[in-house]
Amino acid sequence: DGGITQSPKYLFRKEGQNVTLSCEQNLNHDAMYWYRQDPGQGLRLIYYSQIVNDFQKGDIAEGYSVSREKKESFPLTVTSAQKNPTAFYLCASSILSRPHSTDTQYFGPGTRLTVL
Amino acid sequence: AQSVTQLGSHVSVSEGALVLLRCNYSSSVPPYLFWYVQYPNQGLQLLLKYTSAATLVKGINGFEAEFKKSETSFHLTKPSAHMSDAAEYFCAVSLSRGGYQKVTFGIGTKLQVIP
Repeated sequence: DGGITQSPKYLFRKEGQNVTLSCEQNLNHDAMYWYRQDPGQGLRLIYYSQIVNDFQKGDIAEGYSVSREKKESFPLTVTSAQKNPTAFYLCASSILSRPHSTDTQYFGPGTRLTVL
Repeated sequence: AQSVTQLGSHVSVSEGALVLLRCNYSSSVPPYLFWYVQYPNQGLQLLLKYTSAATLVKGINGFEAEFKKSETSFHLTKPSAHMSDAAEYFCAVSLSRGGYQKVTFGIGTKLQVIP
């Protein structure tokens, strides 16, 4: 079964702690993305990566970090510098075609992070 | 710049009635447009996409959308609502920017289906 997995489904964190969200895909996609979803705000891009060992900041990267050591994996770390981290986090991937703007992004099931 | 406006954050329809979810876009270049569906506590699933091949796009689960350039719209419709259609729907516009795909999502429309 090809797809994107995210773990854990629910995550609780104390203020001041860093936490890492996992994202794995077996679709052989080149591009991977992290979005944050808040009620009434749609999805906002945190980071994206088109190739191993390279990634770029999205619209709301402050307080987050990522790595892309393998094509299949794109973990997101929510650091203590993120002021309001409670949200639903979605990982997505896509194949890089020409033009990129026609690519379909495939989404994982999400991780709901709650800061206590 | 690109943006998407979804009119109506909540829409209620009776089972068997027409579903119409509105989406208007703004784009400085010819747009590529998507509709996604999200069930509670799940990721987004693609319903359909417009990539300039045909203005009327058919998707999964009986949904379709029509691209109208003159109205800058891409409304989603389904002739007869089913209880399983209750979910949140997102319209999105995509363009290539700096060598990557920039997707801008609307704020979503929650569809309630009344038995």
